[in-house]
Amino acid sequence: EVHLVESGGGLVHPGKSLRLSCAASGFTFDDYAMHWVRQAPGKGLEWVSGLSWNSVSIDYADSVKGRFFISRDNARNSVYLQMDSLRTDDTAFYYCVKDIVGAVAGTFESWGQGTLVTVSS
Amino acid sequence: DIQMTQSPSSLSASVGDRVTITCRASQSINNYLNWYQQKPGKAPKLLIYASSILQSGVPSRFSGSGSGTDFTLTITSLQTEDFATYYCQQSYTSYTFGQGTKLDIK
Repeated sequence: EVHLVESGGGLVHPGKSLRLSCAASGFTFDDYAMHWVRQAPGKGLEWVSGLSWNSVSIDYADSVKGRFFISRDNARNSVYLQMDSLRTDDTAFYYCVKDIVGAVAGTFESWGQGTLVTVSS
Repeated sequence: DIQMTQSPSSLSASVGDRVTITCRASQSINNYLNWYQQKPGKAPKLLIYASSILQSGVPSRFSGSGSGTDFTLTITSLQTEDFATYYCQQSYTSYTFGQGTKLDIK
């Protein structure tokens, strides 16, 4: 069974940084692309970033480009999201998501339980 | 960016009903359209991908259709566990979601 566990969320001041981690298990991690998708409390879903199985293909939503950076460590079965220059509108639950294939296809097959990031002064 | 518009935004129905949710893309996305179900306090769940392919383990009362800009999700014979919010999402480029359709009990 696929298991994705996010960590690293919390309360942070505007302009500061935070790093999210996602530990994966239950599947061959380096066969699949991975993503981060967020959801502001009570709102809809927004794709944030994704990367291919080998980290060659990486993409970001315009809203986070230049501020957020995704990476993965296949030896540790983990994916990360470095979030810099955080803004109040980055406040959301952040989900770690497994793609359906190794390339960045954007079909979100399995989801973690989410970690809450709150950006507030 | 490709905009995804779902209708209706909310829907009331009864157990046993057939319901249809529509999703329109602002430009052609071929069949790069996925549907998700989300229950309160839970992560979304993939139901259908590539417009009409049922994800493993999803009941056959769920079906999807469409191509180009217009898509539908149909649930035949609603069950109590189907009351949730449904999202469409395009996987054509720089992935975007519809605003969601909340399905509740009449």
